[in-house]
Amino acid sequence: NAGVTQTPKFRVLKTGQSMTLLCAQDMNHEYMYWYRQDPGMGLRLIHYSVGEGTTAKGEVPDGYNVSRLKKQNFLLGLESAAPSQTSVYFCASSSGTHTDTQYFGPGTRLTVL
Amino acid sequence: GQQVMQIPQYQHVQEGEDFTTYCNSSTTLSNIQWYKQRPGGHPVFLIQLVKSGEVKKQKRLTFQFGEAKKNSSLHITATQTTDVGTYFCAGRGSQGNLIFGKGTKLSVKP
Repeated sequence: NAGVTQTPKFRVLKTGQSMTLLCAQDMNHEYMYWYRQDPGMGLRLIHYSVGEGTTAKGEVPDGYNVSRLKKQNFLLGLESAAPSQTSVYFCASSSGTHTDTQYFGPGTRLTVL
Repeated sequence: GQQVMQIPQYQHVQEGEDFTTYCNSSTTLSNIQWYKQRPGGHPVFLIQLVKSGEVKKQKRLTFQFGEAKKNSSLHITATQTTDVGTYFCAGRGSQGNLIFGKGTKLSVKP
């Protein structure tokens, strides 16, 4: 089992460009999450999903959109990237409830110039 | 909104010294989880505490959950260079999500 995988690992964007980050999990987990991690800020929840076809806003959702068309995949989109979105993005999944163990992917380091 | 505060933000120790990080919530938590993130890596689950006053040990690591279920601590005895990383606590928020503390970054000098 690969666990949680993220694509790409690194990306550099120019302001105003768009991109999609892909998260995939092979553990048949219901819940999936997108976090961003900035120095000194810990992990902040962007969006999450409690099942296929569902999404919900987290703590810092502005400037991002998500989709969960398949249970195993959770996509994070940036429609018009801004320098403030320079960060490390982590995807995570858990089995059934918000307080179950979360399994994190390796992260995507995004730089917006 | 609910907050989970974690102190200290940074801790530098000599190898062999003990280390403790503290986590405090503004509201009662149903449970608390601890994660470790190695430099350049991703957070990895360490343990979950559920009961009031619970104490759990993993080798040199001791985790405690406060009687009021509003605070928790992680204590490492005789640190080693392999303990280097950032330790996060996470408690359940009002939306049902995990609310992560900002983490304590531990560095260990050989």
